[in-house]
Amino acid sequence: QKEVEQDPGPLSVPEGAIVSLNCTYSNSAFQYFMWYRQYSRKGPELLMYTYSSGNKEDGRFTAQVDKSSKYISLFIRDSQPSDSATYLCAMGLDTGGFKTIFGAGTRLFVKA
Amino acid sequence: ETGVTQTPRHLVMGMTNKKSLKCEQHLGHNAMYWYKQSAKKPLELMFVYSLEERVENNSVPSRFSPECPNSSHLFLHLHTLQPEDSALYLCASSQRGGGESYTFGSGTRLTVV
Repeated sequence: QKEVEQDPGPLSVPEGAIVSLNCTYSNSAFQYFMWYRQYSRKGPELLMYTYSSGNKEDGRFTAQVDKSSKYISLFIRDSQPSDSATYLCAMGLDTGGFKTIFGAGTRLFVKA
Repeated sequence: ETGVTQTPRHLVMGMTNKKSLKCEQHLGHNAMYWYKQSAKKPLELMFVYSLEERVENNSVPSRFSPECPNSSHLFLHLHTLQPEDSALYLCASSQRGGGESYTFGSGTRLTVV
């Protein structure tokens, strides 16, 4: 079983739709959770960072962590064509090591 | 310049060539990383330099050789690569403290022919 599972998509939605992106993981010890956005021909950029369980909102983006289910989500409200990108989840242990694990990324297309 | 800068952006090399990838960070971070990104696969951590200590993934072939002359510069030396090494190579930096996030460069798209 992979440590982090992420559906590669592609996911295609109309402009204005609510988008839900998800990852599941197997290591219950993970403490911090991140979402990165990667545009074509660019490196990933940090979008959301959450420590432990709960929700975090930033503008049109909401990150949700459910540690009991080992499941994290990223919601995008009022999606725009500029949101078209690959979204990578990442998570790890806050123990000073180098164990951040990335998902394979979900490719999102938002159609105008 | 700000952030993490990688050169070259694109590189095509033969299997017998020797080339180097360069990365520079302007963020004052104390750790730098090389990642390999292949299509539909998770980012693969290759090497870490933290406070001048090198940490490596034991599964990385010896044809990849990192060099970190100071906390701002990182190189990846390549020699006798294989076609399966074709991928996007990403450099990243972070400020070590546990649970930190990374700042990535735009990557070098490497094609081995």
